[in-house]
Amino acid sequence: AQSVTQPDIHITVSEGASLELRCNYSYGATPYLFWYVQSPGQGLQLLLKYFSGDTLVQGIKGFEAEFKRSQSSFNLRKPSVHWSDAAEYFCAVGDGAAGNKLTFGGGTRVLVKP
Amino acid sequence: NAGVTQTPKFRILKIGQSMTLQCTQDMNHNYMYWYRQDPGMGLKLIYYSVGAGITDKGEVPNGYNVSRSTTEDFPLRLELAAPSQTSVYFCASSYLTSTDTQYFGPGTRLTVL
Repeated sequence: AQSVTQPDIHITVSEGASLELRCNYSYGATPYLFWYVQSPGQGLQLLLKYFSGDTLVQGIKGFEAEFKRSQSSFNLRKPSVHWSDAAEYFCAVGDGAAGNKLTFGGGTRVLVKP
Repeated sequence: NAGVTQTPKFRILKIGQSMTLQCTQDMNHNYMYWYRQDPGMGLKLIYYSVGAGITDKGEVPNGYNVSRSTTEDFPLRLELAAPSQTSVYFCASSYLTSTDTQYFGPGTRLTVL
């Protein structure tokens, strides 16, 4: 069965500093990987996704993620954080079958200090 | 385009009561999903549907039922509410292929007392 681990429950970062969120997955075949963001009181919004090809993926809001098969990781990065990036971030792996059922990690809550 | 809409936004139920959470999408998406979100646990898939008339269980289906009579609507039914069903429920939809983005509704916060 597929699984996703986000080791950091909370991260506090200063505005303007860089951010990296960790994601490790377990999946037997080539994974379909996603990062979603959830602002307070809102639903989830897709930041980026990876299926194949270039292992460095660019997303919205200045985020990028790198797929590393050897480490079973798909870490999310942003070079300079804005106060509006304070949110909860979820990594997910899809099974790629019809319906593409997603398995989510537990999430990382990001706090941004002024 | 409203996207994915959910009603109600909030609800308090007593143990043993029943209710239906409504979900509607106006994007002509084939796939629809119901998730529950518990603190620190991420989202867990309850049920999903790959088209009208076709539904299947996800990871945590016990205590819930679904139906999909139209492409647009995917209601989630709780028959005998239990405190363990206190959670935030999200509906999502995606177009056709397995790689398409899932679009989420704003959620329903349900408390069972």
